[in-house]
Amino acid sequence: AQSVTQLGSHVSVSEGALVLLRCNYSSSVPPYLFWYVQYPNQGLQLLLKYTTGATLVKGINGFEAEFKKSETSFHLTKPSAHMSDAAEYFCAAYSQGGSEKLVFGKGTKLTVNP
Amino acid sequence: EAGVTQSPTHLIKTRGQQATLRCSPISGHTSVYWYQQALGLGLQFLLWYDEGEERNRGNFPPRFSGRQFPNYSSELNVNALELEDSALYLCASSLNRGSTDTQYFGPGTRLTVL
Repeated sequence: AQSVTQLGSHVSVSEGALVLLRCNYSSSVPPYLFWYVQYPNQGLQLLLKYTTGATLVKGINGFEAEFKKSETSFHLTKPSAHMSDAAEYFCAAYSQGGSEKLVFGKGTKLTVNP
Repeated sequence: EAGVTQSPTHLIKTRGQQATLRCSPISGHTSVYWYQQALGLGLQFLLWYDEGEERNRGNFPPRFSGRQFPNYSSELNVNALELEDSALYLCASSLNRGSTDTQYFGPGTRLTVL
């Protein structure tokens, strides 16, 4: 069964610093991959997704992620953190086989320090 | 374009009662998904409805049930509430069944069981 692992439940960066949030998936067949962001007391907002094609995916708010099949990774980055980026970030993958079930990682809470 | 809407925003119940949560998908979306986000447990897939039928179910007891109406809105019912049912319940919708299409999330219903 598909699983998604996010390394680091909490990440803290300074404003202006690089943001790197890690995500690894377990499937031997590359799944569709997503990053969502959740601000306090809100639902999930799609940041970006990878289906096929270009492995570097650009999303909203200056975020991007690179699909690396050899490393089964889909890490999320942003060159310069902003205070408004403080939120919880979830990596998710669709299970292969058309079960339409999104499998989520446990989430990484990003803190941005002034 | 209106996003996914959920009602109520907050719901407080006592043990043993029943809770009903409602979701309206994005216009044109036929698939509706329900997720439970409990503290410390991450996002867990509950149910998937498409074209009025239950298509998939997560690892939850039968007292979690729901339905999808002809207008594609959906209802989640939780019977015989237990304290551990306290969580944020998120609804998502997608355009097409079988396409592993992007799921768009609503703001959630916060259920508190006392």
